[in-house]
Amino acid sequence: DVKVTQSSRYLVKRTGEKVFLECVQDMDHENMFWYRQDPGLGLRLIYFSYDVKMKEKGDIPEGYSVSREKKERFSLILESASTNQTSMYLCASSPTRAGALHFGNGTRLTVT
Amino acid sequence: QKEVEQNSGPLSVPEGAIASLNCTYSDRGSQSFFWYRQYSGKSPELIMSIYSNGDKEDGRFTAQLNKASQYVSLLIRDSQPSDSATYLCAVNSGGGADGLTFGKGTHLIIQP
Repeated sequence: DVKVTQSSRYLVKRTGEKVFLECVQDMDHENMFWYRQDPGLGLRLIYFSYDVKMKEKGDIPEGYSVSREKKERFSLILESASTNQTSMYLCASSPTRAGALHFGNGTRLTVT
Repeated sequence: QKEVEQNSGPLSVPEGAIASLNCTYSDRGSQSFFWYRQYSGKSPELIMSIYSNGDKEDGRFTAQLNKASQYVSLLIRDSQPSDSATYLCAVNSGGGADGLTFGKGTHLIIQP
């Protein structure tokens, strides 16, 4: 089974803090994704990566950056957290760019 | 803007009956279609994928795809209370597009 592990289940941060969300997958997948999920808005793609050190913007990249230094690890960075970034963050991986996604357990981030 | 539309529900179905979940998508070039189940507070879990017109069956689940009508559905036979969850339809538009576009989900309630 594919295992996608997100480092924190719950996180509380203050406005203006720099926040790192970590994600690791153990299936040697080329492609990794970060989504956020909000009530009434569904899942929205923030960033994705199809190879080490490669990244592409998704639909809502503003206020976020990413890092992929190793194939198994994909980090989401909130440069200066704001209250409108309070959300559930979901990391996913896939063996293909258009294939099924395997999700981690999610990180519920609250910015106060 | 690529869109995936689902009725938000709740859809209430008696135990043992067939639950029918529907999804429409806007991009006629879409090539890959997925159904995810999401329990409250949990991450989405892949339950079905379908790539060509027609029906695909897996246990109690049947996915149906009609590309001409831009319509994909999920049937759950012999519905169980454990099937109560939010069901997300996800589509990849093909043509080199990355990741999936998700509908906002249908909340399904199976009444014992």
